[in-house]
Formats: sequence, C-alpha cells, structure tokens
Amino acid sequence: GAVVSQHPSRVICKSGTSVKIECRSLDFQATTMFWYRQFPKQSLMLMATSNEGSKATYEQGVEKDKFLINHASLTLSTLTVTSAHPEDSSFYICSARTSGGWDTQYFGPGTRLTVL
Amino acid sequence: QKEVEQNSGPLSVPEGAIASLNCTYSDRGSQSFFWYRQYSGKSPELIMFIYSNGDKEDGRFTAQLNKASQYVSLLIRDSQPSDSATYLCAVNNDYKLSFGAGTTVTVRA
Repeated sequence: GAVVSQHPSRVICKSGTSVKIECRSLDFQATTMFWYRQFPKQSLMLMATSNEGSKATYEQGVEKDKFLINHASLTLSTLTVTSAHPEDSSFYICSARTSGGWDTQYFGPGTRLTVL
Repeated sequence: QKEVEQNSGPLSVPEGAIASLNCTYSDRGSQSFFWYRQYSGKSPELIMFIYSNGDKEDGRFTAQLNKASQYVSLLIRDSQPSDSATYLCAVNNDYKLSFGAGTTVTVRA
C-alpha cells in the first residue's frame, strides 16, 4: 500500500517553456501532498504544501507564480514550472500524506528536470 | 528555524557490522520522527517511523528515540552492500517534515 506515482520521470525542455509534473496517490486518498526540490548532494527542500480543493501554501522564497500547484482531487496534484530556466533544473519529488496515524509521507519516484 | 542535524559522514562499515546513525532536532514539540533511505538518483523510501521514547525494531533496523535529549538514532544490524545509501532523518513539525542533510553509508564487502 501507500504507493505514489509521478509523471514524467524525466523531462528535458528548452528555456522559456512550461513543464507540468503529475503526482498521484494510487491506493489511498491524500488530502495533503507536498512538493520538494533536491539539488545534487543536497537534502530535500520543501517547496509547497498542496491541499485538495484549496490554494497551495508556499515556503518562503518559493515563487508561487513560477511554480503553479493544483490539487484537483484527493489523488492528484500537479506542479507546473512556468517559463523554466536552466537554474530550475533539479530533481522534483512529490509526497502524499496518509490521513490519521503519525502523518507519514510517502514519496513519488521523482521527476528529473533539465532545462537547456 | 526548525533544525534537524545529522552526522555528516560518510560512514563506512564492513559487511555484517552495525551502522549507527544519529540525528538531533531543535523543536521540543516534535511528535513523530522518520528515517528514509535514498539511493543515488532515486527518491526517499520510508524505512520506519517512531513516536514513543525507547526502541522500535523492524527487521535489521532499530530506531531509538529520546525526546528529553532531542535525539533519534537508527541502527542497521548485519549491514549488507545493498544498505549503501544516504539515510535521511525527518522530523514532523505542523504536518510538514523537516529533513536533515543525510548521512551517506557505504558497506564494504
């Protein structure tokens, strides 16, 4: 149980284009999903918290107009990197929080974005 | 600033030995604590979580929590080459996880 998928797993795009990443919880309903970014040799940095049916909450320093998050259903959240630039190249990972219990987060496999 | 500190490593242990990983956290109000394993180029994988003081065992892994000392550790017994990875300590704060920088473990065959 507690499987989270992400799509695509890898994307290469030109500077200035927008990229959408999907995160799905496959076998449970996730009222809350999280989006992280990880640069090489660094730990995970939380970008935003995505709640179903409401606006995402962004961490300090993360541009909400550049990283658009939509959580349209209890099993799907999307992250759109708008007007991507080379400095946005990173490993983007989503996680979904199970309800109840001790707020365990399960991670998707990640999306490696390369902006040329 | 809610901080999570891990011993930086890298930690090299021979196959069959015990690997000991340490983590301290700054927020006394933290309630639950997680250990994730991350292989190079992959996303984190949950190993175990703990929320009560004391030890929690799951197979070859044992998590230890001491809230008074704000300390959580992970022991890996009978280390295998497949345990070679970066181990992330995470602390739950207001439904969000704060991660340590990770400790890289290498198990020598």
